[in-house]
Amino acid sequence: GIQVEQSPPDLILQEGANSTLRCNFSDSVNNLQWFHQNPWGQLINLFYIPSGTKQNGRLSATTVATERYSLLYISSSQTTDSGVYFCAGNNNAGNMLTFGGGTRLMVKP
Amino acid sequence: DTGVSQDPRHKITKRGQNVTFRCDPISEHNRLYWYRQTLGQGPEFLTYFQNEAQLEKSRLLSDRFSAERPKGSFSTLEIQRTEQGDSAMYLCASSLGSAQAFFGQGTRLTVV
Repeated sequence: GIQVEQSPPDLILQEGANSTLRCNFSDSVNNLQWFHQNPWGQLINLFYIPSGTKQNGRLSATTVATERYSLLYISSSQTTDSGVYFCAGNNNAGNMLTFGGGTRLMVKP
Repeated sequence: DTGVSQDPRHKITKRGQNVTFRCDPISEHNRLYWYRQTLGQGPEFLTYFQNEAQLEKSRLLSDRFSAERPKGSFSTLEIQRTEQGDSAMYLCASSLGSAQAFFGQGTRLTVV
């Protein structure tokens, strides 16, 4: 299976600031997803983005499949953005998603 | 609500007891996955089904763990003779083929 690395592991922001989270993967992927894990543990789907760029409100994501990385942008951060952000991908070698270690984001008021 | 549903949400059990968790996937999804997440880590794959067939199992799935998906609908994950190291969040997800996966709210297991 693939290896997935996320950076930074921890991030503290002041409300209103912008941030970029990165996800590197060891091999090409045909499925790449970003999730936000809420305080109760549920993984909330943010983006399904094997390639290209997508935007949803203050969030956007870009995956450069040829260079094996994906970026999640958070603009004008709010305290409710706090939590853990995971990226996960799979390739033809396995049908399961492999997760990175996550980025723990804290947005201070 | 047509999302992935898991039951129970929380389970506290004594070491050595057996526990069983249930997952109801999104109705039209043919794939169902089980993951385990320990504190501070990302979810780790345990096993997955396509319809009723269990197609892949992780090395994490010891012989005390068994999963079923009768008739290709809901799935159960049973842990026999629980150990303290089994304490974790157990997550279920479903997808239509290899498309986007959606997760349930998880079952948090505490073994005392």
